[in-house]
Amino acid sequence: QKEVEQNSGPLSVPEGAIASLNCTYSDRVSQSFFWYRQYSGKSPELIMSIYSNGDKEDGRFTAQLNKASQYVSLLIRDSQPSDSATYLCAARSGTYKYIFGTGTRLKVLA
Amino acid sequence: GAGVSQSPSNKVTEKGKDVELRCDPISGHTALYWYRQSLGQGLEFLIYFQGNSAPDKSGLPSDRFSAERTGGSVSTLTIQRTQQEDSAVYLCASSLEVLAGSYEQYFGPGTRLTVT
Repeated sequence: QKEVEQNSGPLSVPEGAIASLNCTYSDRVSQSFFWYRQYSGKSPELIMSIYSNGDKEDGRFTAQLNKASQYVSLLIRDSQPSDSATYLCAARSGTYKYIFGTGTRLKVLA
Repeated sequence: GAGVSQSPSNKVTEKGKDVELRCDPISGHTALYWYRQSLGQGLEFLIYFQGNSAPDKSGLPSDRFSAERTGGSVSTLTIQRTQQEDSAVYLCASSLEVLAGSYEQYFGPGTRLTVT
């Protein structure tokens, strides 16, 4: 099993809908997780971090961490075409290393 | 405040030439990372600096790759005798003191390297 796994997509949702992006992880990574958004041709932009079990909300974004099931999710409410991008899940591994998933491509249809 | 900056933004070089890529982290960020992202691929960890020291160089793909950081700030990634497989986007990221518990990384715009 890879340390951090994501479905490559594309995930297509209509404008205004909730987009749900998922990421699973192995025992080899720690309990610190991050979601990044990457537009085509651009660098990753940090959206949220989550360290504790449960939900964390920031505007239209909610990160969910479920340690028992070893998954972390990102929900985007009221999805907009401008949310169309690749979303990267990342996890800490050890003291300083970060492991990134290969990303899920999201398409929000107007 | 100013984010992470990288230069050049684009670099085209001939196979066999050496290149230097520069990263200027966010002021006050002591941890600095280099990653490589090939087309359609995930981020590949290259090297990590805490201050000026690099405790982990295991991600460097070969001995043609080297990196240094001076004054706890600017870092340079050097690729000697470039090969076509080195073509990728090289990303730099920084964060506050990792060992003290601040884990969030912020990325620069990247350098797109093309080896012809």
